[in-house]
Amino acid sequence: KQEVTQIPAALSVPEGENLVLNCSFTDSAIYNLQWFRQDPGKGLTSLLLIQSSQREQTSGRLNASLDKSSGRSTLYIAASQPGDSATYLCAVTNYLGSGGSRLTFGEGTQLTVNP
Amino acid sequence: KAGVTQTPRYLIKTRGQQVTLSCSPISGHRSVSWYQQTPGQGLQFLFEYFSETQRNKGNFPGRFSGRQFSNSRSEMNVSTLELGDSALYLCASSLVSSGANVLTFGAGSRLTVL
Repeated sequence: KQEVTQIPAALSVPEGENLVLNCSFTDSAIYNLQWFRQDPGKGLTSLLLIQSSQREQTSGRLNASLDKSSGRSTLYIAASQPGDSATYLCAVTNYLGSGGSRLTFGEGTQLTVNP
Repeated sequence: KAGVTQTPRYLIKTRGQQVTLSCSPISGHRSVSWYQQTPGQGLQFLFEYFSETQRNKGNFPGRFSGRQFSNSRSEMNVSTLELGDSALYLCASSLVSSGANVLTFGAGSRLTVL
């Protein structure tokens, strides 16, 4: 059974800092890994998707890396801003024999960026 | 283009009742998946539908069911509600398989069971 762990559970930083969020997973036979952002009381917004054959993806101030063999991913946020305050979730996809797929989510890292 | 629309956004039910939640995916998306989010359990996979067929089901009791229509719209139903069913129910759509493509989530339906 796939298990996804995110560390730290919460993080508070001053504006302008660079920061790293960590995600680990137990079953390395993943199809891809996605990072999401969730604002309070809202749905999830996809930030980055890394295919299993890729090592990293970048979007603006965000960079996500994937080391499938060790079961780890990091999300790097450069020059953090108060608007980055949210919960960040990592999810891995495993394919099933039925032809469907299943995403397993971590518990999330709650990020607060202080002005 | 319009995003994923979930209705209703908020609802309150009492134990023993049943509830139906609706999800309209992005136009052209054929895969719809459902998730339950609670403070204690986090986000848990409920089921995935593609072309009106349930492809995959999470580890939830039979009280949780769903379906998908020919226009890709999906509904999920929970019967005989329990207090523990209080949660944010999220629906996500993607072009094909929920795992192969970027998922687009709706804002969710927040269910409170009294």
